[in-house]
Amino acid sequence: QSALTQPRSVSGSPGQSVTISCTGTRNDIGWYNSVSWYQQHPGKAPKVMIYDVTKRPSGVPDRFSGSKSGYTASLTISGLQAEDEADYYCCSYAGSYTMIFGGGTKLTVL
Amino acid sequence: QVQLVQSGAEVKKPGSWVRVSCRASGGTFNTYAFNWVRQAPGQGLEWMGRIIPTLDIANYAPDFQGRVMITADKSTNTAYMELSSLSSEDTAVYYCAGGGSANGAPFDYWGQGALVTVSS
Repeated sequence: QSALTQPRSVSGSPGQSVTISCTGTRNDIGWYNSVSWYQQHPGKAPKVMIYDVTKRPSGVPDRFSGSKSGYTASLTISGLQAEDEADYYCCSYAGSYTMIFGGGTKLTVL
Repeated sequence: QVQLVQSGAEVKKPGSWVRVSCRASGGTFNTYAFNWVRQAPGQGLEWMGRIIPTLDIANYAPDFQGRVMITADKSTNTAYMELSSLSSEDTAVYYCAGGGSANGAPFDYWGQGALVTVSS
């Protein structure tokens, strides 16, 4: 079981949009619609931002959205704000009652 | 609102084992699954396994199978993670994360993390 593949870093200016990709295989993202995204600020526990590919938990701004095509899931953040600067991790169900994370992406707000 | 409170930091010798606890409050313990996720210094998140207390069934990531054991005590609303045969590569922050019991359910609630340092 290899980690899902994410870009190491992305960046954008305030007000812009950025998209973080997460590529898996037919055994995880390609088969199941159980992809979630987590935001982690330095020294803090992660926080769920998107689940079931596209759903947003209560309290998460609608600037955050998720999608999936084939073996790749994506997180899009529109109207970037300074507080969005953080590490982002995707996570997918991988069958046999297991979960798998991506390697993480560092988002820098310029 | 569910709160997860974990045990404190630990320092262990190589070859030994560690147990980290996670006590839940503010919710119905038996309706959740409790996952364990670790994060080595400067590294990403790694799912280790989970338990559904009401079923008393645990599932583990292949990389940890045979070396980790996850249990739950319904009487105290506490989940435990035991990791054996520790090496320096097991130095990490260990998080418990609670969520629904369905396969693939997101991790809605997180503990504060427990730093485990493995050093001779």
